[in-house]
Amino acid sequence: GENVEQHPSTLSVQEGDSAVIKCTYSDSASNYFPWYKQELGKRPQLIIDIRSNVGEKKDQRIAVTLNKTAKHFSLHITETQPEDSAVYFCAATGNQFYFGTGTSLTVIP
Amino acid sequence: DAGVIQSPRHEVTEMGQEVTLRCKPISGHDYLFWYRQTMMRGLELLIYFNNNVPIDDSGMPEDRFSAKMPNASFSTLKIQPSEPRDSAVYFCASRPAGGLTGELFFGEGSRLTVL
Repeated sequence: GENVEQHPSTLSVQEGDSAVIKCTYSDSASNYFPWYKQELGKRPQLIIDIRSNVGEKKDQRIAVTLNKTAKHFSLHITETQPEDSAVYFCAATGNQFYFGTGTSLTVIP
Repeated sequence: DAGVIQSPRHEVTEMGQEVTLRCKPISGHDYLFWYRQTMMRGLELLIYFNNNVPIDDSGMPEDRFSAKMPNASFSTLKIQPSEPRDSAVYFCASRPAGGLTGELFFGEGSRLTVL
């Protein structure tokens, strides 16, 4: 089955700096790569996604890049704010739907 | 729509007891997923249904776990007998038709503590 690895597991950045979270996947059939944000005690919610026919997608301060050849994709958050502090999960889906292990992001004011 | 509704939100039980978690997906959604979340293992896919039919239950940890979806608006995840290592947050999620792409809508989760 699919194996999604996510790094780093924890990340601290100063407010205003950028944050980058990286994921790799193993199943070449995976064709959809969403990112979810989970605030403390809350449910995971979709923040951005990318499909395999696209290399990059941006939505305001967040962007995702995909390298299908290398089987990795990344989340980029620019101009980080304290409210960006949360756990972020990547996922890869094709025949299955699996999440990475999560990255706990702390934005220090 | 009220979103995905899960109950109970919190459950504390003793080892050996039966636990039943319930989920009402968003109306019209064809897919329903059960996930378990722990600090150690993150979000684990337990089972998912398409049009009420279980498609993949390979994530169900052992025979103590079972899941059913008797109709399009209701699903249960049962643990019998429960053990302390089952303590986790269990999320139900649903999504509309269209394969396995597209947004998953999560419920608030059921936090289970087995003493």
